[in-house]
Amino acid sequence: KNEVEQSPQNLTAQEGEFITINCSYSVGISALHWLQQHPGGGIVSLFMLSSGKKKHGRLIATINIQEKHSSLHITASHPRDSAVYICALHTDKLIFGTGTRLQVFP
Amino acid sequence: DAMVIQNPRYQVTQFGKPVTLSCSQTLNHNVMYWYQQKSSQAPKLLFHYYDKDFNNEADTPDNFQSRRPNTSFCFLDIRSPGLGDAAMYLCATSRTGTYDTEAFFGQGTRLTVV
Repeated sequence: KNEVEQSPQNLTAQEGEFITINCSYSVGISALHWLQQHPGGGIVSLFMLSSGKKKHGRLIATINIQEKHSSLHITASHPRDSAVYICALHTDKLIFGTGTRLQVFP
Repeated sequence: DAMVIQNPRYQVTQFGKPVTLSCSQTLNHNVMYWYQQKSSQAPKLLFHYYDKDFNNEADTPDNFQSRRPNTSFCFLDIRSPGLGDAAMYLCATSRTGTYDTEAFFGQGTRLTVV
């Protein structure tokens, strides 16, 4: 069983829709990262969470440590949000999820 | 200013010809990671350093080696690149001993093997 699982793998949305990406994990962590990778591009860290909730612009990330679950929400989605979103666990090393490929159409 | 810098951004090498990719950081982070990412796949950890302590993943081929001469620099050496080693190579850093440390990523080096 993978230590970190993301869902969905692929997500298509219309501009303006509310989007949720989920991440479940099975190991103890010190923190969880949400990362963004545009096609052919490098990885950008969006959030690092060890508890609760963080918000940055239209992005919101939550984590429930007891349930070993985190979500990334995008409000009022826009085509420029199209990217792969990756959940990464911070244990004694960084463990990446397989990513969620998001496409937002105008 | 970029805090994790990978050079070069694009590297073309010949089959079997040794190649070195470099990563430098200005964050004074004690942990540095090398990942391999193939198309449409998640990054795969090759190895990481805690300070000078080298940690190799069990399934990392012997063809891949790494050096960390000081805190700021880390190198990935591919001794005899094969066509299957063509990928994006990502460097990342973090700091242990705290629960409030971001991980930072380089822009990656895209390796082509011809």
